[in-house]
Amino acid sequence: EPEVTQTPSHQVTQMGQEVILRCVPISNHLYFYWYRQILGQKVEFLVSFYNNEISEKSEIFDDQFSVERPDGSNFTLKIRSTKLEDSAMYFCATRQGPGSPLHFGNGTRLTVT
Amino acid sequence: QQQVKQSPQSLIVQKGGISIINCAYENTAFDYFPWYQQFPGKGPALLIAIRPDVSEKKEGRFTISFNKSAKQFSLHIMDSQPGDSATYFCAAIYNAGNMLTFGGGTRLMVKP
Repeated sequence: EPEVTQTPSHQVTQMGQEVILRCVPISNHLYFYWYRQILGQKVEFLVSFYNNEISEKSEIFDDQFSVERPDGSNFTLKIRSTKLEDSAMYFCATRQGPGSPLHFGNGTRLTVT
Repeated sequence: QQQVKQSPQSLIVQKGGISIINCAYENTAFDYFPWYQQFPGKGPALLIAIRPDVSEKKEGRFTISFNKSAKQFSLHIMDSQPGDSATYFCAAIYNAGNMLTFGGGTRLMVKP
């Protein structure tokens, strides 16, 4: 069964540093998402991306965050200047189209020290 | 309006028993209600989903019951097994939207 692949599985960074989290979507999926899960809390929507542009974003997704699909395969989430409170699991999710199921990757655990 | 409230936060069930997890929503525009199962170190995996035009959907041991007037839906796991021990999230979305709203999660432990 096709999978959403995320790298790295674990990223440790110092406060103020930039990080890039990578996702390889399922090949025929057109809608891409990033979600975040702080330890022990619920999964929260960050941003959705379709047709090479952001279609919706949450309050969490401030100017420190950006997304892009630079080479037509990888879908990336960049955090420009990490804060301690950015420590969380970041999940990439993709789906084929509206109404189709959302498929999640296994996540990147980001630890900001 | 975007909230989905889930209960209980944790649940312990004996092997063979029925696990019941409940969710309530506020936004009547929601029209797709999936349940996700998450094991430690893994991403949420779609378990079963329902649309509000039906009151019940069953797949194997998993059943969703949906009450549109009460804006509530629940997951029933029949004949619960230790392998079902995981965190379960209900969620809701409207097709025209992009933001899947998750409940707070229920940590289920099935004792052998």
